[in-house]
Amino acid sequence: GAVVSQHPSRVICKSGTSVKIECRSLDFQATTMFWYRQFPKQSLMLMATSNEGSKATYEQGVEKDKFLINHASLTLSTLTVTSAHPEDSSFYICSARVYEKLFFGSGTQLSVL
Amino acid sequence: GQQLNQSPQSMFIQEGEDVSMNCTSSSIFNTWLWYKQDPGEGPVLLIALYKAGELTSNGRLTAQFGITRKDSFLNISASIPSDVGIYFCAGSSNTGNQFYFGTGTSLTVIP
Repeated sequence: GAVVSQHPSRVICKSGTSVKIECRSLDFQATTMFWYRQFPKQSLMLMATSNEGSKATYEQGVEKDKFLINHASLTLSTLTVTSAHPEDSSFYICSARVYEKLFFGSGTQLSVL
Repeated sequence: GQQLNQSPQSMFIQEGEDVSMNCTSSSIFNTWLWYKQDPGEGPVLLIALYKAGELTSNGRLTAQFGITRKDSFLNISASIPSDVGIYFCAGSSNTGNQFYFGTGTSLTVIP
């Protein structure tokens, strides 16, 4: 299957700082990537759809100024959590659609102190 | 967004037993995917289904695309301890790129 690489796997930061998470497609080009948020023992919640060369599409209730998404190339999408606060602590996962399959990165556990 | 109903929510079984779980949707889907997620990891694709009635296996795992196109089933035969994890279904229609996810089934296998 297609390989999606996500970094970092874990990040701890102070409240008020910004954190950038990278999602790379290693062996294919991804015009569209998806960013999810997951709370413990819950399902994946789609935050936004990242489109190469254009603005991301955010789901209802997701603050686009808080969660900045950049998809500048066909192999890289980034999610920046700006001015992070403890309530932003969560597991963030990216994915890319390859034909009719969805492949996921390994996730990033964000802890904001 | 739409969330699919997945059941059971959790299962505690003895090693060697078979497992069945299902996923239902209010919408018709053209693709069903089944994933396993280990703690602290991203979901890993197990099986992909593309046609109503399709039955596909991956080792001890078998999944079926329901004939109504609104449901899908996953069976695990002769469970082993490494089957422990959370299983998610995901469905997609031809409309747009998005996949909708099930609520998850947490599986615990008792040795």
